[in-house]
Amino acid sequence: AQSVSQHNHHVILSEAASLELGCNYSYGGTVNLFWYVQYPGQHLQLLLKYFSGDPLVKGIKGFEAEFIKSKFSFNLRKPSVQWSDTAEYFCAVNARTGGFKTIFGAGTRLFVKA
Amino acid sequence: GAVVSQHPSWVICKSGTSVKIECRSLDFQATTMFWYRQFPKQSLMLMATSNEGSKATYEQGVEKDKFLINHASLTLSTLTVTSAHPEDSSFYICSGRTENTEAFFGQGTRLTVV
Repeated sequence: AQSVSQHNHHVILSEAASLELGCNYSYGGTVNLFWYVQYPGQHLQLLLKYFSGDPLVKGIKGFEAEFIKSKFSFNLRKPSVQWSDTAEYFCAVNARTGGFKTIFGAGTRLFVKA
Repeated sequence: GAVVSQHPSWVICKSGTSVKIECRSLDFQATTMFWYRQFPKQSLMLMATSNEGSKATYEQGVEKDKFLINHASLTLSTLTVTSAHPEDSSFYICSGRTENTEAFFGQGTRLTVV
């Protein structure tokens, strides 16, 4: 069965610090990978996605993620965080052989200190 | 991106009554729709997958007689919580996808059972 593991449940950073959130999935087939963000009191928004091609994916708001197939990883990065990046971040995966059910990781709650 | 709209965004109902939540894909035809449940400070848990014109496929542990899902058209799926109880209070989120796209998420429905 598909599963998604996010390593950090809570992260606290100061503004301008660099961010890297880990995500690993356990599925051997071809997968589609996503990072979503949920700001306090708001619904999910797609940050970026990987379907195929360049494994380094650029998303909105300065975020990027790198797909490393050999490590089953899709880590999210941002060089310099802002207070407005305070939110919860979810890694997600789906695959054709799984009926394209999007399975979410547990989420990482990021708090950026001003 | 494509738009998925849920209605209502917030509902309060009395214990023992039933509540229907609608999920509409506004500018695309969703061949598959998914229903998720999100408890406070937790991730999204997939409840069921529905394909237009077919019976929904429920995840393990989800009571199909309690959470009735109908996907009568390519733009509408409904989730009915039958005989709701306070423990059913949660945030319910739907998503829709076509064959070659990622899933697009609705804004969610907050259900409070009193």
